[in-house]
Amino acid sequence: EVQLMESGGGLVQPGGSLRLSCVASGFTFSHFEFNWVRQAPGKGLEWVAYISSSGNTIYYADSVKGRFTISRDIAKNSLYLQMNNLGADDTGVYYCARHQAFDYWGQGTRVTVSS
Amino acid sequence: SYELIQSPSVSVSPGQTASITCSGDTLGDKYVYWYQQKAGQSPVLVIYQDIKRPSGIPERFSGSNSGNTATLTISGTQAIDEADYYCQAWGSSTSIVFGGGTKLTVL
Repeated sequence: EVQLMESGGGLVQPGGSLRLSCVASGFTFSHFEFNWVRQAPGKGLEWVAYISSSGNTIYYADSVKGRFTISRDIAKNSLYLQMNNLGADDTGVYYCARHQAFDYWGQGTRVTVSS
Repeated sequence: SYELIQSPSVSVSPGQTASITCSGDTLGDKYVYWYQQKAGQSPVLVIYQDIKRPSGIPERFSGSNSGNTATLTISGTQAIDEADYYCQAWGSSTSIVFGGGTKLTVL
């Protein structure tokens, strides 16, 4: 069974940092590309970042470029999102999703940026 | 930047056909994906590459894409189909875009 499990969310002050993790199981992690997607409270889905299966190709939404870093560790079957210089607009639930079709999603981890 | 436009809401009676549209410049030249998100849950892929249904998705879900508009059609809509629906496509070679979402109400 394919499973994606995010963690690392929480309450952080404006300007602070967080590192989100997504552990994958039930499939060959190294074969797939991944994305991070977020959803602000009561709002729609917003794509955040993409990483290819090799990790050599990475894309970011303009809203996070220069502040967020996506990465992966094949040995740990894990995807990461390092988030720096966080602002109130970064508040929301963050999901990891597999493949360019976003065919499997995790349950999400909640990030709240507030003083 | 590329935009995908969806109507905020659609209402349908049980057993009827619901059509949810997604508009974007030359959208028909791109692959479109559709996701269903029920309240408090993670999104679920219901249509990929315009017209294909993942395993486990009921046959009443279908998709089309031509010109500037992609359409998700739900035939014989059931109460369990009430959810938010999002379209998605690659806006460029380096960015992915979601539509704003459509809230489907089954009256």
